[in-house]
Amino acid sequence: QVVLTQSPSASASLGASVKLTCTLSSGHSTYAIAWHQHQPEKGPRFLMKVNSDGSRIKGDGIPDRFSGSSSGAERYLTISSLQSEDEADYYCQTWGTDTWVFGGGTKLTVL
Amino acid sequence: QVHLVESGGGLVKPGGTLRLSCVASGFTFSDHDMSWVRQAPGKGLEWISYISRSGTPIYYADSVKGRLTISRDNGKNSLYLNINSLRAEDTAVYYCAVVRFLEVFDYWGQGTLVTVSS
Repeated sequence: QVVLTQSPSASASLGASVKLTCTLSSGHSTYAIAWHQHQPEKGPRFLMKVNSDGSRIKGDGIPDRFSGSSSGAERYLTISSLQSEDEADYYCQTWGTDTWVFGGGTKLTVL
Repeated sequence: QVHLVESGGGLVKPGGTLRLSCVASGFTFSDHDMSWVRQAPGKGLEWISYISRSGTPIYYADSVKGRLTISRDNGKNSLYLNINSLRAEDTAVYYCAVVRFLEVFDYWGQGTLVTVSS
């Protein structure tokens, strides 16, 4: 069973950039993942799918400030030019045969 | 514009039953697989159930297997989740989501809150 590991929290200043990490468990380094943003009091929002080769497919209307990348078993979400509305929980998600898995989420604080 | 609206949440006593609904608009519902995902207070997202566009196959997370029934009515653009033998740990916001290519959840509803308490 694949497990996704995320740091519980991250912070960065308004206008700066931040890179969030999602680590795939041993033996699953070739898996693609998806990133979702979950703002308070709202439903989650699909940001993008990131493949093991770093290629990505974004969700509808996702700004260019959001980008994804890969290295080994790690998948990254980089947010540049941070805005106050980027303060949210960010979840990575992957899938297997008849099951879908989320990481524990990273709470991003914009200072 | 894709729109998913969940309803049916509320306060339920332990052991009770609840039926959640999700009405879809802005896309061809019958062409898409769907899932339910929940978030308990202070916790992360948890996938709990999937149904294909045709109604089969259906999958459940091990944590809820045997107590949940997912279904859909393509004629009414609606997705349902029946939960029985409700427990305190079922307290959560329940979201419906569109599943793309059996992989990602690419559209989400705003959620409906279920509280299980005596």
